[in-house]
Amino acid sequence: KQEVTQIPAALSVPEGENLVLNCSFTDSAIYNLQWFRQDPGKGLTSLLLIQSSQREQTSGRLNASLDKSSGRSTLYIAASQPGDSATYLCAVGGSNYKLTFGKGTLLTVNP
Amino acid sequence: DGGITQSPKYLFRKEGQNVTLSCEQNLNHDAMYWYRQDPGQGLRLIYYSQIVNDFQKGDIAEGYSVSREKKESFPLTVTSAQKNPTAFYLCASSETGERNEQFFGPGTRLTVL
Repeated sequence: KQEVTQIPAALSVPEGENLVLNCSFTDSAIYNLQWFRQDPGKGLTSLLLIQSSQREQTSGRLNASLDKSSGRSTLYIAASQPGDSATYLCAVGGSNYKLTFGKGTLLTVNP
Repeated sequence: DGGITQSPKYLFRKEGQNVTLSCEQNLNHDAMYWYRQDPGQGLRLIYYSQIVNDFQKGDIAEGYSVSREKKESFPLTVTSAQKNPTAFYLCASSETGERNEQFFGPGTRLTVL
């Protein structure tokens, strides 16, 4: 059974800092990996989707990498802003389109 | 405006009642999903459907039921058999091809009184 772990559970940084969020998974036979953002009381917003054949994806200040063999993904946020404060969720996709989620990293960016 | 809508935003249920949560999408996606989110836990899959008139149980289907009569709609019924239904419920949809990126609705918060 696929298990997804996100470290750290919470992170607080000053504005402008570059930061890395980590995601690890136990079964490397994945179809894709998706990073989401969730604001309090809201739904999830898709940030980046990495197919299993890809190594990384970039969108603006965000860069996500995938290393299937080691069961790891990282989300890099450059020049963090207070508006980046949210919970970031990593989810691993199986061949039947089902996603397995981690518990998330709560990010606070202080002005 | 393309997207996923869920209603109601807040729902209160008395013990012993069945309630139905609505999920509609206009993204022309074949697949739709229902998740449950509890504090301190990751999202857990309740049911999913990859095509009209077909659906499969997820990891925590007991006490829930769904239907998929139309491509754009995937309602979830929380029955009285669900022992701990208070949670945040999220609906999602995706294509079923290679790029099956999931998109989520705004959620429904269900509280049992």
